[in-house]
Amino acid sequence: QKEVEQDPGPLSVPEGAIVSLNCTYSNSAFQYFMWYRQYSRKGPELLMYTYSSGNKEDGRFTAQVDKSSKYISLFIRDSQPSDSATYLCAIPPGSNAGGTSYGKLTFGQGTILTVHP
Amino acid sequence: KAGVTQTPRYLIKTRGQQVTLSCSPISGHRSVSWYQQTPGQGLQFLFEYFSETQRNKGNFPGRFSGRQFSNSRSEMNVSTLELGDSALYLCASSLVGQRSSYNSPLHFGNGTRLTVT
Repeated sequence: QKEVEQDPGPLSVPEGAIVSLNCTYSNSAFQYFMWYRQYSRKGPELLMYTYSSGNKEDGRFTAQVDKSSKYISLFIRDSQPSDSATYLCAIPPGSNAGGTSYGKLTFGQGTILTVHP
Repeated sequence: KAGVTQTPRYLIKTRGQQVTLSCSPISGHRSVSWYQQTPGQGLQFLFEYFSETQRNKGNFPGRFSGRQFSNSRSEMNVSTLELGDSALYLCASSLVGQRSSYNSPLHFGNGTRLTVT
């Protein structure tokens, strides 16, 4: 079993739709959760990160973590064609002490999203 | 501020050859990580360097190696290339390599596309 599982899609939605992207993870020591967006022929860029359980909102994007279910979600409201990209969840190693490197991330497979006008 | 620069962008090599990829991090960033991205396996961590020292290593054979120079620039080398090494190789840098870097996320370059024939 992979440490981080993500449905690769592809996912195709009409403009204006609400998009839900999800990942599950297996290691209960994970504390930080990140979402990256990768456009075609580009490197990934950080969209959002959250700590522990709960919601975090940034504009049209909401990241949600449910540690009891080991389930993380990214919601995109009022989706736009410019949101068409691959979305990757990423998790650094579990940490309960300082000095942990965040250069080593475990990524989900990535979900390919297309928002059509 | 210039982003992470990777050279070359594209590379075609023959099985058995070796290859060196280069990465210039964002100015001031001391931590550099390397990832391999393939359609089948997704993004996989190769190694991370901080202050010229390898801090973490992923689960790749010894044919994959890297180093970091005193100016934080990094190179990775793959010897005795195999067809399966065809991938997008991504370099990422961050300001520091400690837990405090949670607010200093990984910044990815646009990668080097390696094709092995």
